[in-house]
Amino acid sequence: GQQLNQSPQSMFIQEGEDVSMNCTSSSIFNTWLWYKQEPGEGPVLLIALYKAGELTSNGRLTAQFGITRKDSFLNISASIPSDVGIYFCAGQLQETSGSRLTFGEGTQLTVNP
Amino acid sequence: KAGVTQTPRYLIKTRGQQVTLSCSPISGHRSVSWYQQTPGQGLQFLFEYFSETQRNKGNFPGRFSGRQFSNSRSEMNVSTLELGDSALYLCASSRSRGLRMNTEAFFGQGTRLTVV
Repeated sequence: GQQLNQSPQSMFIQEGEDVSMNCTSSSIFNTWLWYKQEPGEGPVLLIALYKAGELTSNGRLTAQFGITRKDSFLNISASIPSDVGIYFCAGQLQETSGSRLTFGEGTQLTVNP
Repeated sequence: KAGVTQTPRYLIKTRGQQVTLSCSPISGHRSVSWYQQTPGQGLQFLFEYFSETQRNKGNFPGRFSGRQFSNSRSEMNVSTLELGDSALYLCASSRSRGLRMNTEAFFGQGTRLTVV
């Protein structure tokens, strides 16, 4: 079945630094989504990408949908302590899978003040 | 606009029992999907319901079942609980008017199930 490889698994950074994480897939997707999850909560949608090559920003977050439709990355600029959490990528292929999402393993982000 | 509501938030059950979890999607959303989240397996898709019909199913045993009502609210049921069923169960809703429509999925806070 489809699998997503997300890297890195964890990151420890200083406040103010930029962060980059990415996901690669063995299959194509027509939607990429990025979520953030904090302890005891459900994932919160950060950015949605719908077209190959699309680059989308949401405040300090920027994400891109890879040209091959098999990868995506998320950048966070000028990190702050409240960026701490687990970031997940998720791919969706609506033609065959409806709203089903395939998730990466997550990137645990720690920001030191 | 209210978000996705899951009840209960926490549940403790004994092996062999059954459990029913509830999810109320965002108003106007017709698709409800369920996911299981564990430290070892991550987020795994259970099933999706759209217009009261199961549209997609993940690779879980038949002990896991679900249904959707005419108001789009959904329930999932796990029968004959096992210790390994302990997990955070998440519900996601999306507008999803049909296939080939890219729509975003919004998650509830989840139900933390502990099987002892």
